[in-house]
Amino acid sequence: GQQLNQSPQSMFIQEGEDVSMNCTSSSIFNTWLWYKQDPGEGPVLLIALYKAGELTSNGRLTAQFGITRKDSFLNISASIPSDVGIYFCAGQTYNNNDMRFGAGTRLTVKP
Amino acid sequence: DTGVSQNPRHKITKRGQNVTFRCDPISEHNRLYWYRQTLGQGPEFLTYFQNEAQLEKSRLLSDRFSAERPKGSFSTLEIQRTEQGDSAMYLCASSFGLGGYTFGSGTRLTVV
Repeated sequence: GQQLNQSPQSMFIQEGEDVSMNCTSSSIFNTWLWYKQDPGEGPVLLIALYKAGELTSNGRLTAQFGITRKDSFLNISASIPSDVGIYFCAGQTYNNNDMRFGAGTRLTVKP
Repeated sequence: DTGVSQNPRHKITKRGQNVTFRCDPISEHNRLYWYRQTLGQGPEFLTYFQNEAQLEKSRLLSDRFSAERPKGSFSTLEIQRTEQGDSAMYLCASSFGLGGYTFGSGTRLTVV
């Protein structure tokens, strides 16, 4: 089952608004990643974070790796209709070869 | 680089039949992963290969599931005696070392 708690489960926002979602875990991760998934497709990597406290941007997206290594957040600024989709956080440790995913945040952007 | 390719995209099968899915990873990636995703959930890890060696298997991977990567390139995932609970999206991903994976578009399995 899922080890990551992702919130909120869903968001309905107006085009142009900023969005924030986060992910927490009871376990420490060495890498935090954020993916976006469109219907019928596989997840696409948005941002990867490799160091506690790291703040990384990719266009209108900004993500941070929490200091405790047990959380991460993703912000989307000035949302546009094509931001619609499901956003997943994922965590990875050096000891595990697999990546654990949250249950996702479904984003709807109203034009 | 054409990304990770999965075939077929969709598969409908009757309960009890065997199915096989194929994944072609990015050519220079040595690691290959299989995940399963059900509706409303994130992907769940099934198994992982480094080159041709299967190094880890999840408890989700019952005896009816088998995966191979015979030459360290493409991989197959076979499900024997399918059950309705096997209906899901099966995702393949590849990477070179640790870090972000590149996922394929998945194979959606429906067991009727």
